[in-house]
Amino acid sequence: KTQVEQSPQSLVVRQGENCVLQCNYSVTPDNHLRWFKQDTGKGLVSLTVLVDQKDKTSNGRYSATLDKDAKHSTLHITATLLDDTATYICVVGDRGSALGRLHFGAGTQLIVIP
Amino acid sequence: DMKVTQMPRYLIKRMGENVLLECGQDMSHETMYWYRQDPGLGLQLIYISYDVDSNSEGDIPKGYRVSRKKREHFSLILDSAKTNQTSVYFCASSPLRDYNNQAPLFGEGTRLSVL
Repeated sequence: KTQVEQSPQSLVVRQGENCVLQCNYSVTPDNHLRWFKQDTGKGLVSLTVLVDQKDKTSNGRYSATLDKDAKHSTLHITATLLDDTATYICVVGDRGSALGRLHFGAGTQLIVIP
Repeated sequence: DMKVTQMPRYLIKRMGENVLLECGQDMSHETMYWYRQDPGLGLQLIYISYDVDSNSEGDIPKGYRVSRKKREHFSLILDSAKTNQTSVYFCASSPLRDYNNQAPLFGEGTRLSVL
């Protein structure tokens, strides 16, 4: 059973527009949630991690929120660039150490067009 | 420079052949992972290694085995590869503790086709 659901599955935006990616999960316990960026043909690169019950983070044009009560996270990308074209993957960790498991979403494929 | 290196990057094998995927890291991380990524699915854990000769099955270990004889090196072996093992395989490493502040580092993947 899929425990991490991401929406939309794919998204096309014009350069300069903002976009929001969603992540809903059922993982318990939910120690932390991390967003990764995966460029085509490359590995996953961490963008941000959220830990607190209601958390917010900001990393340049990327900002994210987490609501553990709702088991829901969002990733906002502001003023998109062509280089933002990638798959964005939501990952929920059930412990604060590598002794736990990481639960991966299938990703949202973002395409930024000129 | 912190890096996870996977070799080879691309591999084509015939059904029934043996396959060896190699992974190395230079951070002296205790924990290393092998995942596979298939279209429309999240990464699935094949094996996890907590240190030398301390390996545990993940969610989909059938048809795979691993070897970790040095902390820096973790191998994935497919004995008699099957066509349904065609996939992209990712290796990752992380320190055992402080997971919240230290993300796993991923390699760039090995694209395996079994014909």
